[in-house]
Amino acid sequence: DIQMTQSPPSLSASLGDKVTVTCQASQNINKYIAWYQQKPGKAPRLLIRYTSTLESGTPSRFSGSGSGRDYSFSISNVESEDIASYYCLQFDNLPDTFGAGTKLELK
Amino acid sequence: EVQLVESGGGLVQPGRSMKLSCAASGFTFSNYGMAWVRQAPTKGLEWVAIISYDGSSTYYRDSVKGRFTISRDNAKSTLYLQMNSLRSEDTATYYCTRLAMMVLITSNWFAYWGQGTLVTVSS
Repeated sequence: DIQMTQSPPSLSASLGDKVTVTCQASQNINKYIAWYQQKPGKAPRLLIRYTSTLESGTPSRFSGSGSGRDYSFSISNVESEDIASYYCLQFDNLPDTFGAGTKLELK
Repeated sequence: EVQLVESGGGLVQPGRSMKLSCAASGFTFSNYGMAWVRQAPTKGLEWVAIISYDGSSTYYRDSVKGRFTISRDNAKSTLYLQMNSLRSEDTATYYCTRLAMMVLITSNWFAYWGQGTLVTVSS
């Protein structure tokens, strides 16, 4: 199974900050990575697919990049509605595997 | 609008069985692979099982192989997860998910999620 090492486990940010989350795969995943947002008590919501393609409805302050084994996800100008947990998912090989998550909190 | 509605969760004793259902609507169910993803309380997301659009292919995570069975009824637009020999470590919210692209179950991601159903395994 492909392991996804996500960091940091938690982030503290002020409104308007830029934050970045990284995921490193245990092998090349050919840009087959997606990013999800999850708010407490809610189902995950797909934000980005194929490394950098924003889903319909995803604000442009969200972005993704990377290749090979290394990927990142950023939020520029953090807003209060962005307070949530974020997960990466590799879908290059079954079983699909998630990162451990990053909890974004307000400073 | 795609809708996935899970049911069947609750409290169950260790070693017993439970069957989850997921009623799908808003899309042609028989065209898409489907999967179950779970989340233990305060923990991260974990892929459990996946089934192809026609039910001919299924895959499971190692920890549930031989105990869980994923299936589907395309005539009823419903996905199932039969869980046998339940363990305390199976306690989680189980989400029904639809893959993004038609037909494929590999190189495909979870595009739509239900609201989840909580399964608690405890004596």
